[in-house]
Amino acid sequence: AQSVTQPDIHITVSEGASLELRCNYSYGATPYLFWYVQSPGQGLQLLLKYFSGDTLVQGIKGFEAEFKRSQSSFNLRKPSVHWSDAAEYFCAVGARGGYQKVTFGTGTKLQVIP
Amino acid sequence: DAGVTQSPTHLIKTRGQQVTLRCSPKSGHDTVSWYQQALGQGPQFIFQYYEEEERQRGNFPDRFSGHQFPNYSSELNVNALLLGDSALYLCASSLNPQRQYNEQFFGPGTRLTVL
Repeated sequence: AQSVTQPDIHITVSEGASLELRCNYSYGATPYLFWYVQSPGQGLQLLLKYFSGDTLVQGIKGFEAEFKRSQSSFNLRKPSVHWSDAAEYFCAVGARGGYQKVTFGTGTKLQVIP
Repeated sequence: DAGVTQSPTHLIKTRGQQVTLRCSPKSGHDTVSWYQQALGQGPQFIFQYYEEEERQRGNFPDRFSGHQFPNYSSELNVNALLLGDSALYLCASSLNPQRQYNEQFFGPGTRLTVL
């Protein structure tokens, strides 16, 4: 069964500082990997996804993530955080083949301080 | 182009009652998935509908059922509501998942409170 672990429940960073959110997954083969962002009262917005190929993927809003097969990780990074990045971030894994099911982590809440 | 829409926005029910939530997919999409997001948790997959049939199901009891209509819209029904069913229910639409992996677009959700 596929699963996702986001070890950090809550992270606080200063505006302008760099950010890294951790994500570890469990899946028998190479999965589909996603990062979503959810602002209060909103649905989920896809930031970026990894299907295959280049292990460093670029997303929207200046985010990037690196797939590391040896570490079963897909960490999200941003070089300089803006106050508007404050939100909850979810890592997710999708099964390949058939009717794909997406499994989400428990999320990391990002607080940005001036 | 309208995205995924859900109704109602908020709903309050009492234990034992039944509830129906509705979802209209993004234009051009034919597949609808439903997720339950409890407070402080990530979304959990309930089931997925394609061609009016349930194609995949997560670890949810039979009290949770659904339907997909010919226009691809969908309903989620929950019977015999429990306090633990209080959550944000998210609908996501996508294209036929068997062709290749297609991005799921999420609606804003329906906040269900069970008293």
